[in-house]
Amino acid sequence: AQSVTQPDIHITVSEGASLELRCNYSYGATPYLFWYVQSPGQGLQLLLKYFSGDTLVQGIKGFEAEFKRSQSSFNLRKPSVHWSDAAEYFCAVSPYTNAGKSTFGDGTTLTVKP
Amino acid sequence: NAGVTQTPKFQVLKTGQSMTLQCAQDMNHNSMYWYRQDPGMGLRLIYYSASEGTTDKGEVPNGYNVSRLNKREFSLRLESAAPSQTSVYFCASSEGRGTDTQYFGPGTRLTVL
Repeated sequence: AQSVTQPDIHITVSEGASLELRCNYSYGATPYLFWYVQSPGQGLQLLLKYFSGDTLVQGIKGFEAEFKRSQSSFNLRKPSVHWSDAAEYFCAVSPYTNAGKSTFGDGTTLTVKP
Repeated sequence: NAGVTQTPKFQVLKTGQSMTLQCAQDMNHNSMYWYRQDPGMGLRLIYYSASEGTTDKGEVPNGYNVSRLNKREFSLRLESAAPSQTSVYFCASSEGRGTDTQYFGPGTRLTVL
């Protein structure tokens, strides 16, 4: 069975600082990997996804993520955080054959200090 | 183009009552999903419908039923609500291919007393 671990429950960074959110997955084959963002009271919005090819994936809002097969990781990064990035971030993994069977991590809450 | 809509936004039930959560999408998507989100946890899949006329259980289906009424609509029914079903419920849809993106509705916050 697939699983996702987001080791950091809560991260606080200063505005303008760089950000890295960690995601580790467990899956027997090459997975599909996703990062979603959820603002308070809202549904989830896709930031980026990885299926194959280039292991560095660019997403919306200036985010990027790097797939590292050897480490079973898919960490999310942003070089300079804005106050509007404060939200909850979810990593998800799904099997090759069915993206609908996604398994989500428990999420990381990002607080941005002025 | 409203995307994915859910009704109601909020609901309070007493233990044992029943209710149906409604979801509709206007993106002509084939697949639709129901998730629940509990505090400090990610989303857990309750049921999904890969295409019109089909439904399958997800990770936490007990206590729920679903109906794929047509291509646009996918409802979730709680026949006899329990306090353990207090949660935020999200509906999502996707084109239905293996690599596609899921689009989420705004959620329904349900409290069972």
